[in-house]
Amino acid sequence: GIQVEQSPPDLILQEGANSTLRCNFSDSVNNLQWFHQNPWGQLINLFYIPSGTKQNGRLSATTVATERYSLLYISSSQTTDSGVYFCAVWRAGGTSYGKLTFGQGTILTVHP
Amino acid sequence: GAVVSQHPSRVICKSGTSVKIECRSLDFQATTMFWYRQFPKKSLMLMATSNEGSKATYEQGVEKDKFLINHASLTLSTLTVTSAHPEDSSFYICSATSGGAYNEQFFGPGTRLTVL
Repeated sequence: GIQVEQSPPDLILQEGANSTLRCNFSDSVNNLQWFHQNPWGQLINLFYIPSGTKQNGRLSATTVATERYSLLYISSSQTTDSGVYFCAVWRAGGTSYGKLTFGQGTILTVHP
Repeated sequence: GAVVSQHPSRVICKSGTSVKIECRSLDFQATTMFWYRQFPKKSLMLMATSNEGSKATYEQGVEKDKFLINHASLTLSTLTVTSAHPEDSSFYICSATSGGAYNEQFFGPGTRLTVL
C-alpha cells in the first residue's frame, strides 16, 4: 500500500514562531488532506489540497503532486495551535485505493 | 464546513456487554461513511467503509462479527462493538463524505470507549 511519512515527528516552538511540516507519500494520489487534532481528539479539517497552494489565515499549504510531497506552513504560531497535525492521502488506484491513509502525525507544542 | 456528530462522546461498560456508537452527518447527505480506531499517541487506522444501503467493507484484520456496522440512511451510520472486552478500549472516530469516492472527508468528535 501507499506509504505516508510526516516530519518532524515532534516540534516545539515559542509563540510567534513560524514552522513548516512536511508530508511525503509514495504514490500518486487523488486526495490529500491536512488535519489538526485538538487535545480533545477532534480532527479539524485544515486543507483539502491534492495539488497547488491554498491559504487560510495564518496557515497555508502546498502540494507538489508530481514530486509526491505536501507542506503545511504555520506562521506566527499561537498556543492554540498545539496538537497533532496529520496528513492523509487517497491513493489514485491500486492497493490502498478506497481509503484515506494517514501519516503518523507531527506533535506540535507551542509555548507562551 | 460540513458537520459530523458522534454519540456518545464517552462510554464505560462492563466486559461482555455491547456498545452502540452513532455517527450522523448533520448538514449534508453522506454517501460514504468511514470508521476509524485510534490508540493513544498513534495515528488513525481505518476499520471499515460503509455505503448507505450496502454491507460495510472491512479492513484486513478487523472482525466483522465483532464490529457491526449499519448505514441505514444517508445521514446515519452505527458501529456496535459486540461482547466488548478490555482490549476493545480505544478512541473510535467516524468520518463522512458527501461527494465522490475521494472527496473531502469530515470527521466526528470521536467516542472514547473504556471496557472494564
